[in-house]
Amino acid sequence: DVKVTQSSRYLVKRTGEKVFLECVQDMDHENMFWYRQDPGLGLRLIYFSYDVKMKEKGDIPEGYSVSREKKERFSLILESASTNQTSMYLCASSKRRHNEQFFGPGTRLTVL
Amino acid sequence: AQSVAQPEDQVNVAEGNPLTVKCTYSVSGNPYLFWYVQYPNRGLQFLLKYITGDNLVKGSYGFEAEFNKSQTSFHLKKPSALVSDSALYFCAVRDYGNNRLAFGKGNQVVVIP
Repeated sequence: DVKVTQSSRYLVKRTGEKVFLECVQDMDHENMFWYRQDPGLGLRLIYFSYDVKMKEKGDIPEGYSVSREKKERFSLILESASTNQTSMYLCASSKRRHNEQFFGPGTRLTVL
Repeated sequence: AQSVAQPEDQVNVAEGNPLTVKCTYSVSGNPYLFWYVQYPNRGLQFLLKYITGDNLVKGSYGFEAEFNKSQTSFHLKKPSALVSDSALYFCAVRDYGNNRLAFGKGNQVVVIP
């Protein structure tokens, strides 16, 4: 079974802090994705990566950056957390072609 | 750009009755279509997908979905709902040649005992 793990299930940070969310997958997938999930808005794509050191902006990249130094790991960075970044963050991975994405359990981030 | 519409916020169904969750899509080329389920405080779990071939796709937990190109729909169905099917269901679509999925807003399914 594909396993996608995220570093924290719950995280509480203060406004202005730098926040790192880590995601690791163990199935040698080329593609990795970061989404945020908010009630009534569904899943919105923040960034994705289709190879090591490659990244592309999704629909809502403002306020976020990413890093992919190794194939199995994709990090989401909030340079200066704000209260409107309080959300559920979901990481996913997939093989290169038209395959389904596999999701991690999510990190519920609260910014105070 | 591709998009998905899930017109109902919540679907209520009695246990044992048929369950249908609706999805319509918009893409510029041939669609790749997916259904996912999310239980409380969990990530999304893959249920089934349509890539090509038979319009009726069977997936996990007794779910199936029917691809209808003329109506641009991909409705999720289950013949007999269980209380344990109560969850949030997401439809997603992907354009050919594109690694990105566009998700609908999700449907909350409530199965009443």
